[in-house]
Amino acid sequence: SQQGEEDPQALSIQEGENATMNCSYKTSINNLQWYRQNSGRGLVHLILIRSNEREKHSGRLRVTLDTSKKSSSLLITASRAADTASYFCATDGLEYGNKLVFGAGTILRVKS
Amino acid sequence: EAGVTQFPSHSVIEKGQTVTLRCDPISGHDNLYWYRRVMGKEIKFLLHFVKESKQDESGMPNNRFLAERTGGTYSTLKVQPAELEDSGVYFCASSPRAAGETGELFFGEGSRLTVL
Repeated sequence: SQQGEEDPQALSIQEGENATMNCSYKTSINNLQWYRQNSGRGLVHLILIRSNEREKHSGRLRVTLDTSKKSSSLLITASRAADTASYFCATDGLEYGNKLVFGAGTILRVKS
Repeated sequence: EAGVTQFPSHSVIEKGQTVTLRCDPISGHDNLYWYRRVMGKEIKFLLHFVKESKQDESGMPNNRFLAERTGGTYSTLKVQPAELEDSGVYFCASSPRAAGETGELFFGEGSRLTVL
């Protein structure tokens, strides 16, 4: 069964704007990760946030985690055309063992 | 350092035929994962190797799928006989630590399988 669900399914913005993607999950987690996939390429790890953390930053990326709502958000500030990609959240937790469980992703298109 | 490599990048076969996908993980990574993405849906877990042993194969769809990791190095995923619903992109990922130990996964570019 699908653990993570990203929202929205697709997002189209202008270069320079901020992009926010959300992820909801069902069971308790140890960590939540975000990955990016450029068209036809493999997934690339962006950031990991632990279950006891509420916010984390990496460059233009900001991730929040609300374990009470079982949700996370990924904010990309000052977006660039090169940010156009699919973004996935992935969780690991006791119920799922030593594997990451992914959602269906959000397709982000940044128009220049 | 070479990344995770997968071969072939794209395979087109007819229903009933056999296909073998190969994954070469990053050298020294004991953990190797196979995932599949079908038609823009979620990326679904297939199985997890630790060295040459299958740690978790709960995601394997049925007995038409066979995964091996001889000697704990490269891995193969064979589909025999292939069915239409097997079409999708098969991703391989490796990691020095298991995902449950906060392991970041390093992905290959995927093998796209089209079954006609």
